[in-house]
Amino acid sequence: AQRVTQPEKLLSVFKGAPVELKCNYSYSGSPELFWYVQYSRQRLQLLLRHISRESIKGFTADLNKGETSFHLKKPFAQEEDSAMYYCALRDSGGSNYKLTFGKGTLLTVNP
Amino acid sequence: EAGVAQSPRYKIIEKRQSVAFWCNPISGHATLYWYQQILGQGPKLLIQFQNNGVVDDSQLPKDRFSAERLKGVDSTLKIQPAKLEDSAVYLCASSFRGTWDEKLFFGSGTQLSVL
Repeated sequence: AQRVTQPEKLLSVFKGAPVELKCNYSYSGSPELFWYVQYSRQRLQLLLRHISRESIKGFTADLNKGETSFHLKKPFAQEEDSAMYYCALRDSGGSNYKLTFGKGTLLTVNP
Repeated sequence: EAGVAQSPRYKIIEKRQSVAFWCNPISGHATLYWYQQILGQGPKLLIQFQNNGVVDDSQLPKDRFSAERLKGVDSTLKIQPAKLEDSAVYLCASSFRGTWDEKLFFGSGTQLSVL
């Protein structure tokens, strides 16, 4: 079974401080990991995905298969980063492409 | 491009009543998803369609929930009869082919309150 754990429900940092949102997963197959974000009054949208190896809005995420983690990081948080962040997992090796979400972390960046 | 359209935005019903939600995906997207998001939790997949066929409905409570996508375009999700624990936001999403690397495009959701 696919399982995604985000241990922090709430995370509060000051503007300019580094931020790390934790994500751990449990899956025996070949996982593909994603981060989705929901800004206030907006739709849930993709922030970044592991396969793209990209940095979006200054955020990066590294897949650590040994620790089964996909933490989201940004060196200098901005107020506009305040949002709900969801880590999600999908099987990349089989025919079941169900996307499983964690419970989310609400990030607040204070001025 | 136009996004995923959902209606209604809000719905309040009493328990044991029935309710239906509608979703129109992005034009050309073959895969359509219905997610349930209970307050304080992440979205949970209820059902996934590929064109008009069901790919995954393992988490759909089939005794009360039903969904269809008859012409492979728009979709309806129905609850009959509703229970208090069905209070949630129901999200519709779509993607082009439904492959493992694709991103999902989400609608604004329907917030259901069952009293």
